[in-house]
Amino acid sequence: EAQVTQNPRYLITVTGKKLTVTCSQNMNHEYMSWYRQDPGLGLRQIYYSMNVEVTDKGDVPEGYKVSRKEKRNFPLILESPSPNQTSLYFCASGLAGLSGANVLTFGAGSRLTVL
Amino acid sequence: AQTVTQSQPEMSVQEAETVTLSCTYDTSENNYYLFWYKQPPSRQMILVIRQEAYKQQNATENRFSVNFQKAAKSFSLKISDSQLGDTAMYFCAFMKRGNFGNEKLTFGTGTRLTIIP
Repeated sequence: EAQVTQNPRYLITVTGKKLTVTCSQNMNHEYMSWYRQDPGLGLRQIYYSMNVEVTDKGDVPEGYKVSRKEKRNFPLILESPSPNQTSLYFCASGLAGLSGANVLTFGAGSRLTVL
Repeated sequence: AQTVTQSQPEMSVQEAETVTLSCTYDTSENNYYLFWYKQPPSRQMILVIRQEAYKQQNATENRFSVNFQKAAKSFSLKISDSQLGDTAMYFCAFMKRGNFGNEKLTFGTGTRLTIIP
């Protein structure tokens, strides 16, 4: 089954304790991206990657890091989480370029709480 | 930069009735895509319908249809014969076409739709 898999689905952590949210896709997509969802704000893009070793900032990158060492994986790293990073996080993937990138497949979401 | 506005934070309708969710957007682009996503209580983001801006014909998917008014920058979603399973948060989203490298979706703030039995 074609899918985007995120882990963990739920996490409660404390301020300053580094954490990683993993994202993996099995569709051989070049493009991957992270979004955060907050009440009243919709979803906002954090980072994106158009291929292996190519990443760039989205609209709200502060406090986050990403890496793309393999095509299928795009982890989101919070080096020193703070309470304002409490949110629902989504990973998404798609084909890159004009041919088919306009439809993204989303993961199931990861609910992160930072105390 | 693009913006997407959903002016109805919450709506409710009786089962089997028709409901329309509104969405307006602002962009200087001429080629783009518009989407409606559904987010049920499971939190999964589910694509409901997609519209290509260069197509004048409104997209339809079974009970879901859109009213795309390009000049007015309006993109409403109509749900016919609403069902309990339609209860969800609905997001309108914009994607610039041909933006090689970043297939970014710009989302509205969502409309929470409740179908009443």
